[in-house]
Amino acid sequence: AQTVTQSQPEMSVQEAETVTLSCTYDTSENNYYLFWYKQPPSRQMILVIRQEAYKQQNATENRFSVNFQKAAKSFSLKISDSQLGDTAMYFCAFMKHGGNNDMRFGAGTRLTVKP
Amino acid sequence: DAGITQSPRYKITETGRQVTLMCHQTWSHSYMFWYRQDLGHGLRLIYYSAAADITDKGEVSDGYVVSRSKTENFPLTLESATRSQTSVYFCASSATSGRAKSGELFFGEGSRLTVL
Repeated sequence: AQTVTQSQPEMSVQEAETVTLSCTYDTSENNYYLFWYKQPPSRQMILVIRQEAYKQQNATENRFSVNFQKAAKSFSLKISDSQLGDTAMYFCAFMKHGGNNDMRFGAGTRLTVKP
Repeated sequence: DAGITQSPRYKITETGRQVTLMCHQTWSHSYMFWYRQDLGHGLRLIYYSAAADITDKGEVSDGYVVSRSKTENFPLTLESATRSQTSVYFCASSATSGRAKSGELFFGEGSRLTVL
């Protein structure tokens, strides 16, 4: 079974600075997807960024980028130029390719952006 | 574009009562899921469905029942609610092909259930 570990329950960052959230996972699969979801106080789950394991290039979405290290099974999220609206819970998630599309989630990291 | 909706958003019930949480999606996605969110555990899969009339257990399915007679609906029933089932419940859907990005889950807004 796959497991996802987020070792930082809480983090904070000053507005406009950069922060990195950590995620590691355990799997014997070779083909899979990794995700970061954001959950603001509204409780809505919002997809931030997605990475396919077969792609060596790290995914980027505007101020959000990942550092995907397949051999180390590491998938960290970097948020540049942090904004107050980035305050949220962030969940790292794993999905096996070709499976039933169910995701395994980490316990989450609560990020607070301070003015 | 209504997307995926859950009802009720908030529910308080008593131990032993039956509770049904509703989920409806308008995208005709094949896959639907129920997760529960608890502090320190992230989201854990309760049940999933690959298509109408096809359902399977997730990692925390004890005490829950699902059905999927129509593609767009995926209700979750707690047959005899317990305090340990106090949680926030999320319904999600996913397409296996088409314009939607493969692998992405789309979530409802969640249903907060309190069992007294």
